[in-house]
Amino acid sequence: DIQMTQSPSSVSASVGDRVTITCRASQGISSWLAWYQQKPGKAPKLLIYGASSLQSGVPSRFSGRGSGTDFTLTITSLQPEDFATYYCQQANSFPPSFGGGTKVEI
Amino acid sequence: QVQLVESGGGVVQPGRSLRLSCAASGFTFSSYAMHWVRQAPGKGLEWVAVIIFDGSNKYYGDSVKGRFTISRDTSKNTLYLQMNSLRADDTAVYYCARDLAPTVTYVFDSWGQGTLVTVSS
Repeated sequence: DIQMTQSPSSVSASVGDRVTITCRASQGISSWLAWYQQKPGKAPKLLIYGASSLQSGVPSRFSGRGSGTDFTLTITSLQPEDFATYYCQQANSFPPSFGGGTKVEI
Repeated sequence: QVQLVESGGGVVQPGRSLRLSCAASGFTFSSYAMHWVRQAPGKGLEWVAVIIFDGSNKYYGDSVKGRFTISRDTSKNTLYLQMNSLRADDTAVYYCARDLAPTVTYVFDSWGQGTLVTVSS
């Protein structure tokens, strides 16, 4: 199975900051990488798929990059509603697997 | 708009069974693969199972294989998860999720609100 490792596990930031989260796969997954946002008590929400494709309705301040084993999610100009936990997920190999999450805190 | 509403969660003793349901609306249910994903309290996300659009193929994670069964009823636009031989480590919020595309991509573009299953004596 492919292991997904996110870093950092948590990050403290302020409104307006630029935040970058890293995700590393234990083996190459091409661009089969998705990012989700989850707020407390809520379901995850798809932000990005295919490593860099923005899901419909997601603000353009979210962007994703990478291929192979190393990926990043960047939030430019952090907004109050962006404080949440973010998960990466590989969709290249069965079974699909998630990273451990990165909590973006104030 | 796409809506997924889970039900059927609750407290159950170890070794017992439970069936979860997920009512779908706002899209052509019969055209999409559907998944169950779970999240133990305070933990990360774990994919559980998938059923393709016509129900002809089903796949499971190792931790539930042989104990859980995923199914769908197109006439009712409903996804199910039959959970047998439940264990304490099955305790989690269970989400149903739609696949991004009619084929199985393992990308989850719509999620329900989740239903909590607690396995405890």
